[in-house]
Amino acid sequence: EVQLVQSGGGLVQPGGSLKLSCAASGFTFSGSAMHWVRQASGKGLEWVGRIRSKPNSYATAYAASVKGRFTISRDDSKSTAYLQMNSLTTEDTAVYYCTRRSGDNSQSYFDYWGQGDLVTVSS
Amino acid sequence: QSVLTQPPSVSGAPGQRVTISCTGSSSNIGADYDVHWYLHLPGTAPNLLMFGNNNRPSGVPDRFSGSKSGTSASLAISGLQSEDEADYYCLSYDSSLSGPVFGGGTKLTVV
Repeated sequence: EVQLVQSGGGLVQPGGSLKLSCAASGFTFSGSAMHWVRQASGKGLEWVGRIRSKPNSYATAYAASVKGRFTISRDDSKSTAYLQMNSLTTEDTAVYYCTRRSGDNSQSYFDYWGQGDLVTVSS
Repeated sequence: QSVLTQPPSVSGAPGQRVTISCTGSSSNIGADYDVHWYLHLPGTAPNLLMFGNNNRPSGVPDRFSGSKSGTSASLAISGLQSEDEADYYCLSYDSSLSGPVFGGGTKLTVV
């Protein structure tokens, strides 16, 4: 059974940092591109960024709204993806999901999702 | 606003058929990128309903169907049931943004 188990969310002050984790099981993590998607309260789903697999040089890409502040990484030995969030603002308050891409091309879709992790940025 | 445009809400009576549109442009749907659909209930992870424009994952009833033409795609739900009440999102790829893009979401109400 495929599982993506997230952890690390919580309350952080504006300007602070937080690191989310996404532990995977039930599939070949090392061969999969992993993405992060978020949903602010009352808003729609927003793609945050991704990290590709080792054969694709662990290439990362980010949405303009988080570029330069967020960093996605992975540890294939632990089958875990990470989302490091710095310089957080209230606009980053959202439920964050990690998700696996079905393939590593533009026609792929997100087939498995974590349970979601709430990040609240507030003083 | 979202790159892909969906109606904020649709409604229908039990047993009826509704469609949800997803309108894009020449850099996403019109560039022949596939459209995928998700059902999302508050507090849960999004659930894949349709992939590759018109393919249903196993377990998704055939009441759900998808189509794509030009710069738009649609999700049709026939034989509406109360449990279909949820938010629905389309997903595609945008070459200008070099990344996946979601529609703004559509809230389906079964009245």
